[in-house]
Amino acid sequence: QVQLQQWGAGLLKPSETLSLTCTVYGGSFGGYYWSWIRQPLGKGLEWIGEINSGGSTNYNPSLKSRVTISVDTSKNQFSLKLSSVTAADTAVYFCARGFSGRSIIFYYYYLDVWGKGTTVTVSS
Amino acid sequence: SSELTQDPAVSVALGQTVTITCQGDSLRSYYASWSQQQPGQAPVLVMYGAYNRPSGIPDRFSGSSSENTASLTITGAQAEDEGDYYCNSRDSSGKGVFGTGTKVTVL
Repeated sequence: QVQLQQWGAGLLKPSETLSLTCTVYGGSFGGYYWSWIRQPLGKGLEWIGEINSGGSTNYNPSLKSRVTISVDTSKNQFSLKLSSVTAADTAVYFCARGFSGRSIIFYYYYLDVWGKGTTVTVSS
Repeated sequence: SSELTQDPAVSVALGQTVTITCQGDSLRSYYASWSQQQPGQAPVLVMYGAYNRPSGIPDRFSGSSSENTASLTITGAQAEDEGDYYCNSRDSSGKGVFGTGTKVTVL
């Protein structure tokens, strides 16, 4: 049973850098897209970005200038950094495992394992 | 457009059937997946590849897809099915995208 355990600082001041790490337990690291998603309180889910085991990244254009996702395959970990945070970045941040593929006529993509979430508050 | 649109809220009587939908241009190329989120919890995948249930998801959940619309149907809704449901796909540029979310209430 694959599990994702995430951690990082929960309280930041404006202009600081958010840093979260997610460790993958109980499964292989290759063949998946290791993803970060966030959810402001009372609002919907927002896809932040992803990285594969080879280190290729894919970011939400609205956050791309501030986001870095990295991977350490030796530790089965992937990490999120979001620079120059503001109050608008206050949210619950989730790590998740993504899978993409293609059938005969359609592509498919899903997030099948999620971390429990980390609440990040940005306040002066 | 890279958006996925869902109805904000639906209600269903206990034991009855409810269908929630997700519309977006990307669904003409990508199968949607569906996740259920209960208050204070991480989302849980309930449907992927439009029609496939992960292990452990009850068979009262079913999915379908047509044109630019994906649907999730709960047949014989139970109290534990209450929660927020999000569809998920990639957009035309390959970025991940979530639907706006549907709150399901079981009466």
